[in-house]
Amino acid sequence: GDSVTQMEGPVTLSEEAFLTINCTYTATGYPSLFWYVQYPGEGLQLLLKATKADDKGSNKGFEATYRKETTSFHLEKGSVQVSDSAVYFCALRGGNNRKLIWGLGTSLAVNP
Amino acid sequence: GAVVSQHPSRVICKSGTSVKIECRSLDFQATTMFWYRQFPKQSLMLMATSNEGSKATYEQGVEKDKFLINHASLTLSTLTVTSAHPEDSSFYICSALRQPENEKLFFGSGTQLSVL
Repeated sequence: GDSVTQMEGPVTLSEEAFLTINCTYTATGYPSLFWYVQYPGEGLQLLLKATKADDKGSNKGFEATYRKETTSFHLEKGSVQVSDSAVYFCALRGGNNRKLIWGLGTSLAVNP
Repeated sequence: GAVVSQHPSRVICKSGTSVKIECRSLDFQATTMFWYRQFPKQSLMLMATSNEGSKATYEQGVEKDKFLINHASLTLSTLTVTSAHPEDSSFYICSALRQPENEKLFFGSGTQLSVL
């Protein structure tokens, strides 16, 4: 079945460092791909998404490109801030299915 | 932005008691809500899809008599863990689907259930 593999955390960075959180997937057909973020004490929020190959999702300085050839959707940010400290989840939804398949989540801590 | 309120955020109960968790969409109507369970260091596991005015659709392996879901209005779904046992201790999260934006899911902040 469909699955999402996400790099394990926790990830600890200094402010202004470059961030990459790896996400790869297996799916039949052409899934939509998502990154969700959960800030401390809050619910999950959609960060960005891509619905077809080579699409780039971007939001708040974060980017991820849908790479069909490598079945990847890595999350990147060029310069992280303390306020980016959160748990990040990669997810996919295949075809007409409304069900999301989730990665394990990666905790990010950014130190000043 | 749309807000989903989940209550309580944390509950501790004795084994054998029942616990009700509420999920409310505060500024939109949600015909569909989802209930997830998350164990430490594991991904979110979908338990059931809650449909307003009809029975919930449970995922394979989830006991419907154990986890009662009621979606009586367009803004409220409840999950009741009946006769809770320590193995039911987990983090429960709800989400609400805002129509017509079919891919827009809004999440509650979760409920940490601890059964003693």
